[in-house]
Amino acid sequence: AIQLTQSPSSLSASVGDRVTITCRASQVIYNALAWYQQRPGKPPNLLIYDASSLESGVPSRFSGSRSGTDFTLTISNLQSEDFATYYCQQFNSYPLTFGGGTKVEIK
Amino acid sequence: QVQLQESGPGLVKPSETLSLTCAVSGYSISSGYYWDWIRQPPGKGLEWIGSIFQGGNTHYNPSLESRVTISVDASKNLFSLNVASVTAADTAVYYCARRIPVVAACDFWGQGTLVTVSS
Repeated sequence: AIQLTQSPSSLSASVGDRVTITCRASQVIYNALAWYQQRPGKPPNLLIYDASSLESGVPSRFSGSRSGTDFTLTISNLQSEDFATYYCQQFNSYPLTFGGGTKVEIK
Repeated sequence: QVQLQESGPGLVKPSETLSLTCAVSGYSISSGYYWDWIRQPPGKGLEWIGSIFQGGNTHYNPSLESRVTISVDASKNLFSLNVASVTAADTAVYYCARRIPVVAACDFWGQGTLVTVSS
């Protein structure tokens, strides 16, 4: 199974900061990766699909990129509603797998 | 608007079978998407359980494959999950989701349902 290693596992940031979360795949997955935001007690919410495409209705401060097997989620100008846990998921091959998550907390 | 809603018992005894359904509204379950089950143990990360495509084509996580069955009832526009021989390790919030073919994404999710395995 393809392993996705997310880093960091948690981070503290302030409103207005730029935040970067990384997801490293154990093998080539091309652009078959999505990013989700999950708030406590809620289901994951799709932010980015195909590694860098912004889901409709998601604020433009969220962006995704890929370099080889490294994927990055960037949140520019962090807002209070962005404090949550973020997950990556790969769709290149079965079984589909998730990264371990990154919790973004208020500094 | 597409909506998914999980339902089923919140408490299951060890060694019994966990059975959940996911009712889909706003979209025909026969119209060409994958329908997935994902779970999340309390305080932990997400685990993909498996999926079903139109026509009944299924894929399962090898870690659960011997105990899991996913099926579709197109007449009721819902799909189901059975997990046999459950243990406390199967305690989790179970989510159903719609997955887009060819695109890397699950775009609609149910609210999730907590299933506790305990005697």
